[in-house]
Amino acid sequence: KAGVTQTPRYLIKTRGQQVTLSCSPISGHRSVSWYQQTPGQGLQFLFEYFSETQRNKGNFPGRFSGRQFSNSRSEMNVSTLELGDSALYLCASSHPGGAMNTEAFFGQGTRLTVV
Amino acid sequence: KQEVTQIPAALSVPEGENLVLNCSFTDSAIYNLQWFRQDPGKGLTSLLLIQSSQREQTSGRLNASLDKSSGRSTLYIAASQPGDSATYLCAGLSGGSNYKLTFGKGTLLTVNP
Repeated sequence: KAGVTQTPRYLIKTRGQQVTLSCSPISGHRSVSWYQQTPGQGLQFLFEYFSETQRNKGNFPGRFSGRQFSNSRSEMNVSTLELGDSALYLCASSHPGGAMNTEAFFGQGTRLTVV
Repeated sequence: KQEVTQIPAALSVPEGENLVLNCSFTDSAIYNLQWFRQDPGKGLTSLLLIQSSQREQTSGRLNASLDKSSGRSTLYIAASQPGDSATYLCAGLSGGSNYKLTFGKGTLLTVNP
C-alpha cells in the first residue's frame, strides 16, 4: 500500500512569487493535515481537511491557504512568498472517518527555499 | 493551549546502552500521543501510537508509556544501535474543532559505535 506522496520534493522560488504544493494521502484516508517545519520553530500546524472541508487552521497569515479534492488529495498554496517561508512542508494523512484515536502518517515533505 | 516539551534536546550514548526520552504536555485532554522518528532532511516515520485509554505500547526494542494525569510520556529504547541515530519527536493529538498534532522540538539522538 502506497504511503503519503508529496510533490515536488524540492522547490526554489523568488520572493513575491506564489507556490502550490501537493499531497496524495494513503488510499482511503480522508483527513489530510499540513505542517511547516523550521529549525527555529519546529513543527507547526497549518491546517487540516476532512472530506473537502477545512476543520482547523493554525496561526498563519492568510497568504497560506489550502484545499482538498473529492479524491482526498490536497494542495496548499503560499502567495507573495517571503524569505521566512523557507521550510520543510509536511503533509500527514489519517485513517478513514477522521476518528480521534488514529495514527498519522507523514510524507517525505517538500523543501521550499525562497531566495 | 497545548504545549509539548521534550527533554533532553540532545543525547549521545555508546552503542548497546538502554535509554529513555522524555515528553511532557500541558493539556491532559489529548486523544492520543504519537512518537516519531525523523532522519535529516526526511519526513516523519511513526514509531508508536498510544491511545488516551492506554498506558503503554511496545514495538521491538521500543516501548512508550503514557501518564495523562501527570502529562508525561516516555520512549524507552533498548540496546541502542548506530542506526537509531535520528531526531525523535513526540506529538499529542487534540480533537474536536481543534483537531491537530502539537509537537515537541525533539530529541537529537546519536548512538556511537
